[in-house]
Amino acid sequence: EAQVTQNPRYLITVTGKKLTVTCSQNMNHEYMSWYRQDPGLGLRQIYYSMNVEVTDKGDVPEGYKVSRKEKRNFPLILESPSPNQTSLYFCASSLRQGVDGYTFGSGTRLTVV
Amino acid sequence: AQKITQTQPGMFVQEKEAVTLDCTYDTSDQSYGLFWYKQPSSGEMIFLIYQGSYDEQNATEGRYSLNFQKARKSANLVISASQLGDSAMYFCAMREWNSGYALNFGKGTSLLVTP
Repeated sequence: EAQVTQNPRYLITVTGKKLTVTCSQNMNHEYMSWYRQDPGLGLRQIYYSMNVEVTDKGDVPEGYKVSRKEKRNFPLILESPSPNQTSLYFCASSLRQGVDGYTFGSGTRLTVV
Repeated sequence: AQKITQTQPGMFVQEKEAVTLDCTYDTSDQSYGLFWYKQPSSGEMIFLIYQGSYDEQNATEGRYSLNFQKARKSANLVISASQLGDSAMYFCAMREWNSGYALNFGKGTSLLVTP
């Protein structure tokens, strides 16, 4: 089944403790992206990657890191999480000219206390 | 500047009625795509419909249709014969093919379908 797999689905952590949210897709998509969703703000892009070893900042990159060492994986790293990073996170992928939009992962609900 | 504007934070519609969710967009690109996604309370993002900027006909997918008015830069979603399962958040999004492939989202419209 074609899908984007995010883990974990839920995570509660403490301020300052490094964490990684994994994202993997099995569709050979070139383009991958991370979004955060907050009430009243919609989805905002954090980082994106056009292909292996090619990443760039989205609208809200502060406090996040990403890497794209393999085409299928695009992990999101929070080196020192803070409470304002409590949010619902989505990983998504697409073909570069994908008219089907993005395929989204199931989401990761992160709480930083 | 906001690229996608959804002016209706919340909407009600009665079962079996049609409903229109508004979306306006802002771009100077000639080549772009417009998307609608549904997010039920379970949280997943479900792709509904796509309209390309060069498509001359309005897109349709089952009970969903997109009322595309290019000169007005609007891309409203029409849901016909609403069902209780249509209750969800709906997001309009745009992808500018010459500008980095990001998918820019509006803030969403919450639709509640009542019996």
